[in-house]
Parts: sequence; C-alpha cells; structure tokens
Amino acid sequence: QKEVEQDPGPLSVPEGAIVSLNCTYSNSAFQYFMWYRQYSRKGPELLMYTYSSGNKEDGRFTAQVDKSSKYISLFIRDSQPSDSATYLCAMSAGGNFNKFYFGSGTKLNVKP
Amino acid sequence: DGGITQSPKYLFRKEGQNVTLSCEQNLNHDAMYWYRQDPGQGLRLIYYSQIVNDFQKGDIAEGYSVSREKKESFPLTVTSAQKNPTAFYLCASRKDRLTDTQYFGPGTRLTVL
Repeated sequence: QKEVEQDPGPLSVPEGAIVSLNCTYSNSAFQYFMWYRQYSRKGPELLMYTYSSGNKEDGRFTAQVDKSSKYISLFIRDSQPSDSATYLCAMSAGGNFNKFYFGSGTKLNVKP
Repeated sequence: DGGITQSPKYLFRKEGQNVTLSCEQNLNHDAMYWYRQDPGQGLRLIYYSQIVNDFQKGDIAEGYSVSREKKESFPLTVTSAQKNPTAFYLCASRKDRLTDTQYFGPGTRLTVL
C-alpha cells in the first residue's frame, strides 16, 4: 500500500466551477500537509501549507485536513483556465523525520 | 531573489556516459533533496542531505551519486549504471523543522540517446 493515494484524473471542468482535489494517507504520524501546483515541464510550486487538522484559505484556494479520516482536500473556487495543471499533495511527519511523501498528482483541465 | 536554480534545463547524454546535474540554493536551507519524476508517476526520492558532508540514500539511489561540500550546492551524478535514466529531475530544499515544507527548482530534463 502506498503511503499517499491520489486520484490521477484527468479532471475536466468548465471555467468558474468549484474543483475538489483529494488525497488519502495511511501514516498517522503525518502532521504537515502541502499542495503543489505543477505546470507542464516546470518544477512544483508550493500552493498551500497546513499544519495538523483544520482549514486554511488563501484567495480562491482552501485546504482542508481531516486527520481522523486521514484525508486532505484542496478546493479551488471560480476555477480559471490558468489553473490547468497537475496538483500534487505532499505530507511529512516533521521534526527529525526528513522525508516527504507525495501523491502521484491529479491533472486538472479548466475549459474556457 | 532567493530560490533554487537547476542547470541545465535540458540535457542529452549518450548511453554509457556519466552526467552531472547542478542544483544551487540561496535560501540558507540546511536540507536538500533530489527527486525523479516520470510521466504518470509521483516524485521518487533519489538522495537527500540534511547537512553539509552528509547525505542518505532515498528509495531509488542505485545508479546515482551525490556530494554536499557546500550548503548551497547539491549536485547529482547520473552514472552509466542507471538502467533507465531518461526522466525529469527535480531538486528541492527544506525550509526548517518547524515549518516543514519543501521548495523546488525548475527541474532538468535528461534524455539518454
């Protein structure tokens, strides 16, 4: 079983739609949760960062962490064609544990 | 501007040749990482380094080598022993243990001819 599971998509939505991206994980020690956006042939760009459980909002983006269910989500409101990219979730236990665990990425296409 | 630079952006290599990928950061981060990304797959960890002159193997270290002589630099050598080296290589650094997150460079696309 993989440490982090993420639906690869592709996910195709019309412009203006609300997008929901999700990851599940198995390691209860994970405390730090990240979402990255990656455009084709570019390096991943940090989009959202959350520590422990709860919600975090930044503009059109909201990250949610439910540690009891081992489930994290990224919501994109009023999606734009420029949001078309691959979204990677990542997580770590922090502290002296130096490894990060990534989902395989969900490819999102926002149609004009 | 602070950040991570990788060079070159595209690299072509003949079979049997070693090649070194550059990674430099001016973020003053202690830990640095190398990942490999193949189409449809997530990031796979090759090597990581927590401090200067120290590094550990990741999940797919065979056929790769690294050095960490300076805090700012973490070059990756892809040796001829790597069976399938064509991939997109990403370098990253870790901010710190309190705000535990990673920042990535722009990547190097290696193609073996």
